[in-house]
Amino acid sequence: QVQLVESGGGVVQPGRSLRLSCEASRFTFSIYGMHWVRQAPGKGLEWVAFISYDGSNQYYIDSVKGRFTISRDDSRDTLYLQMNSLRPDDTAVYYCAKDLYSRRSTPCPVNVWGQGTTVTVSS
Amino acid sequence: DIVMTQSPDSLAVSLGERATINCKSSQPILDSSNNKNSLAWYQQKPGQPPRLLIYWASVRESRVPDRFSGGGSGTDFTLTISSLQAEDVAVYFCHQYYTDIRTFGHGTRVEI
Repeated sequence: QVQLVESGGGVVQPGRSLRLSCEASRFTFSIYGMHWVRQAPGKGLEWVAFISYDGSNQYYIDSVKGRFTISRDDSRDTLYLQMNSLRPDDTAVYYCAKDLYSRRSTPCPVNVWGQGTTVTVSS
Repeated sequence: DIVMTQSPDSLAVSLGERATINCKSSQPILDSSNNKNSLAWYQQKPGQPPRLLIYWASVRESRVPDRFSGGGSGTDFTLTISSLQAEDVAVYFCHQYYTDIRTFGHGTRVEI
């Protein structure tokens, strides 16, 4: 079945950078919009970023604009999240997730999630 | 950004009884292209990623038991578990995908 596997998390000091990866399998990655969603310890879900299936559109939550960059490499079936100038409030489990529908130009629900990778920002 | 407000924060229901979770959006989320509300419900169990239960406010995802149903319109939506089972203990989140900037409710914990 469809699989998403995140990696790249870890413990990092405030102000440093980290790059998360999400490797997709068992579906045609290049035709789906993809998301990053995070969950701080003991808290709810917070949508972080989206990239359209063709890479032409990216959207971000205000708190990460200018610091985080979402990108994709369809040749590797991989989604990325480059996180710069990390802050303690970026500490969370980061999930990648795929759109329900393919080649979608308007928003649609997310239907498959990875298991997540943990990012801890602490001195 | 659209604010999603869930109630209650937590809910204790006996096995076999009905559980109802409410979600209110700060503005209408009706997609005019298909006349459907851009509202999804997710279930999250401890240590697991969320699972999609309902989308377009009332469409059940495949393999989701029919005891789960979604309803509502405008700005007020509900998730109903008609007969609570032990495996339904989880946190439930509503989610709007009407705007490019998505938002979630803060979650409702359902317990036995």
